[in-house]
Amino acid sequence: EPEVTQTPSHQVTQMGQEVILRCVPISNHLYFYWYRQILGQKVEFLVSFYNNEISEKSEIFDDQFSVERPDGSNFTLKIRSTKLEDSAMYFCASRAETGGGSYGYTFGSGTRLTVV
Amino acid sequence: AQSVSQHNHHVILSEAASLELGCNYSYGGTVNLFWYVQYPGQHLQLLLKYFSGDPLVKGIKGFEAEFIKSKFSFNLRKPSVQWSDTAEYFCAVIPSGGYQKVTFGTGTKLQVIP
Repeated sequence: EPEVTQTPSHQVTQMGQEVILRCVPISNHLYFYWYRQILGQKVEFLVSFYNNEISEKSEIFDDQFSVERPDGSNFTLKIRSTKLEDSAMYFCASRAETGGGSYGYTFGSGTRLTVV
Repeated sequence: AQSVSQHNHHVILSEAASLELGCNYSYGGTVNLFWYVQYPGQHLQLLLKYFSGDPLVKGIKGFEAEFIKSKFSFNLRKPSVQWSDTAEYFCAVIPSGGYQKVTFGTGTKLQVIP
């Protein structure tokens, strides 16, 4: 079964550093998402991306965050100047086109980001 | 905007007991509904989903859920739980169409005692 792949599985970074979380969505999917889950809390939506642009973002997704699809396969989340409160599990997800067939909304296994 | 409520935050059951986890959503239009499971230290996995048709949906590992439109509910059930069902369960809703985001409930931690 196709998977959404995320790397690395765990990243430790110093406060103030920049990190890039990488995701390889399922190849025929067109909608891409980032979510995060702070330890002990619910999964929160960060941003959705379609047709090479952000389609929706939450209030969490401020100027510190950016997303990019640099080539035909990767989907990245960049966090500039990380803060302690950015420590969380970050999930990438991708989804097939709507209108017939399965929704195909699939999550990756997550990247645990620890800011120290 | 849509929202999801899961009223049971922590449920403890003995093996072979029956399970029902409540989920209610709020949204004025047509929605698709999901239950995800997160085993300790692992990622989110889809248990089952409802798009349309038969409101009783069967998923993996013996789980099922019933969509009751009039009650805006999508409760998860399993007739007989196992120790391996110990996990956190998230109900989620997504409005139909477009690039809509998934909105998750706060989750229910299920602990099954052998």
